[in-house]
Amino acid sequence: SAVISQKPSRDICQRGTSLTIQCQVDSQVTMMFWYRQQPGQSLTLIATANQGSEATYESGFVIDKFPISRPNLTFSTLTVSNMSPEDSSIYLCSVDARGSEQYFGPGTRLTVT
Amino acid sequence: SQQGEEDPQALSIQEGENATMNCSYKTSINNLQWYRQNSGRGLVHLILIRSNEREKHSGRLRVTLDTSKKSSSLLITASRAADTASYFCATRGMNSGGYQKVTFGTGTKLQVIP
Repeated sequence: SAVISQKPSRDICQRGTSLTIQCQVDSQVTMMFWYRQQPGQSLTLIATANQGSEATYESGFVIDKFPISRPNLTFSTLTVSNMSPEDSSIYLCSVDARGSEQYFGPGTRLTVT
Repeated sequence: SQQGEEDPQALSIQEGENATMNCSYKTSINNLQWYRQNSGRGLVHLILIRSNEREKHSGRLRVTLDTSKKSSSLLITASRAADTASYFCATRGMNSGGYQKVTFGTGTKLQVIP
């Protein structure tokens, strides 16, 4: 399985500011995924990030609010821009490994005050 | 909307009992995965079952898949207090944009009482 790390593990931010979350994988992967998990809820896919191309966003998520970078095959960042309290969530990155299984990072717990 | 619906939403059992969680989904899938999430932490991959498989085992876990009913179940036998967590099913299928997407169910909160 892939080993995935995320930074920061948690943060408390003021509304109107932005936070960039980093995701590092221990092996090269084609696709990386970013999810949001709101308090007490399930996971919702934000976007899929392929190296060398624009990220593909799911319905309800836009690039201006959640810009993503994918500079190489082991790294990606997700920025949560102009934050509001509604953005308080756990943000998780994930990758495909062993062909079909999807593995997740430990998550970044964001609280917006 | 969520692809998968899970039931029950919450389940409380005594240690040693079996726990069964069910997942239903709406569209065709390539595979279905089950995950465990301990409170506020990352997801742990438990088991993957492909669309052409009907049953799979891993230790105390047994997963079934019925593609005709678009449903799956996760059975945890001889439960332990350490099994207390939220459990999610996740289906992989093609979305309208033509690429594969993994969609999560609503989750089941399992409490195992020592």
